Amino acid sequence: DAKTTQPNSMESNEEEPVHLPCNHSTISGTDYIHWYRQLPSQGPEYVIHGLTSNVNNRMASLAIAEDRKSSTLILHRATLRDAAVYYCILKRWGAGNMLTFGGGTRLMVKP
Amino acid sequence: EAGVAQSPRYKIIEKRQSVAFWCNPISGHATLYWYQQILGQGPKLLIQFQNNGVVDDSQLPKDRFSAERLKGVDSTLKIQPAKLEDSAVYLCASSTDSEQYFGPGTRLTVT
Repeated sequence: DAKTTQPNSMESNEEEPVHLPCNHSTISGTDYIHWYRQLPSQGPEYVIHGLTSNVNNRMASLAIAEDRKSSTLILHRATLRDAAVYYCILKRWGAGNMLTFGGGTRLMVKP
Repeated sequence: EAGVAQSPRYKIIEKRQSVAFWCNPISGHATLYWYQQILGQGPKLLIQFQNNGVVDDSQLPKDRFSAERLKGVDSTLKIQPAKLEDSAVYLCASSTDSEQYFGPGTRLTVT
């Protein structure tokens, strides 16, 4: 399975944008880029996913590099409730919907 | 829409005892997953069901762990006998064909 590399932790100020990077240099053509986040004492929750084009939803934006070897999850205005561990996961199309979690990035938001 | 339900939320047992966890997925979700999350790590998939059949149990320690999904709805995960290293949060998730929805997890402490 293609692996992802994320920083262990990041800090942000409240109401400022946050850019969470993810490297996936061995991504294959059928790998989708998924992001999940896990708030304290909760199960992970889906954030966003994409294949080649940038994606936006109510929670975040996903910017995918042209060569697809990296991506960035963008939170446009961080709030204290966005403090969580963010996981970048590659999911291969047709591979049974499995998710392989890495260590993720712990985002701390300062008031 | 009701989410994934799990019980109990917390369990403390002594090593060599047995324990069982229960999961009720979101109605209509054919795929159900059990994950183990050790403190400070990302979740690790233990077993995946499609309806009541096993799709992947390659990371399930079958000498002590077992899981079943009767009638393709609820599922139970059992550990017998438990070891100290089984202390973790056990997460259940369900999905249709895209994102996974996670329950709150059961925190198991083995003493």
